[in-house]
Amino acid sequence: NAGVTQTPKFQVLKTGQSMTLQCAQDMNHEYMSWYRQDPGMGLRLIHYSVGAGITDQGEVPNGYNVSRSTTEDFPLRLLSAAPSQTSVYFCASRRTGSHYGYTFGSGTRLTVV
Amino acid sequence: DAKTTQPPSMDCAEGRAANLPCNHSTISGNEYVYWYRQIHSQGPQYIIHGLKNNETNEMASLIITEDRKSSTLILPHATLRDTAVYYCIVLSQGGSEKLVFGKGMKLTVNP
Repeated sequence: NAGVTQTPKFQVLKTGQSMTLQCAQDMNHEYMSWYRQDPGMGLRLIHYSVGAGITDQGEVPNGYNVSRSTTEDFPLRLLSAAPSQTSVYFCASRRTGSHYGYTFGSGTRLTVV
Repeated sequence: DAKTTQPPSMDCAEGRAANLPCNHSTISGNEYVYWYRQIHSQGPQYIIHGLKNNETNEMASLIITEDRKSSTLILPHATLRDTAVYYCIVLSQGGSEKLVFGKGMKLTVNP
């Protein structure tokens, strides 16, 4: 199993550009989430999904869109990048049920200039 | 979900047990205590979780007080690779999937 795979690992965007951060998991996990982590801070939830076709907003959803058309993939779209979106983005997934924790990807480091 | 309080940092000698405290005095009956750690810029790693009984797995042990207002994560034989930021999180099962990480506690394992 590859686990949770995030691409790209690094990205530089210009203000106003759009892009999609990719997240894929091969563990047949129902739950998937996107977090951002700013320097010296804990992770903050952007969006999450409890299954294909179902998404909901987290703590900091503005400026981001998600969709979940398959169990495996949960892409995060930046509509019009702003310097405030410079951050490290982590995707995570877990199995349904109370006995499981989240598996995190290795992150995408995004810089908006 | 209840909030948690952790000391900002702790040191531990290599090979010794590391006891990481967490206070969650407002925890409610259906809320679990989860522990994650993040090793230098990597994605967080799930360690263990529990409701009211003590739990043990291959990574660590979790001791929850009888009143459930605090807990301790125990790394029985800390190694240099255990140096990380440790997050104690309270989350209700069957409710939202919104992990709230906070600032966590930096554990430094010294040789």
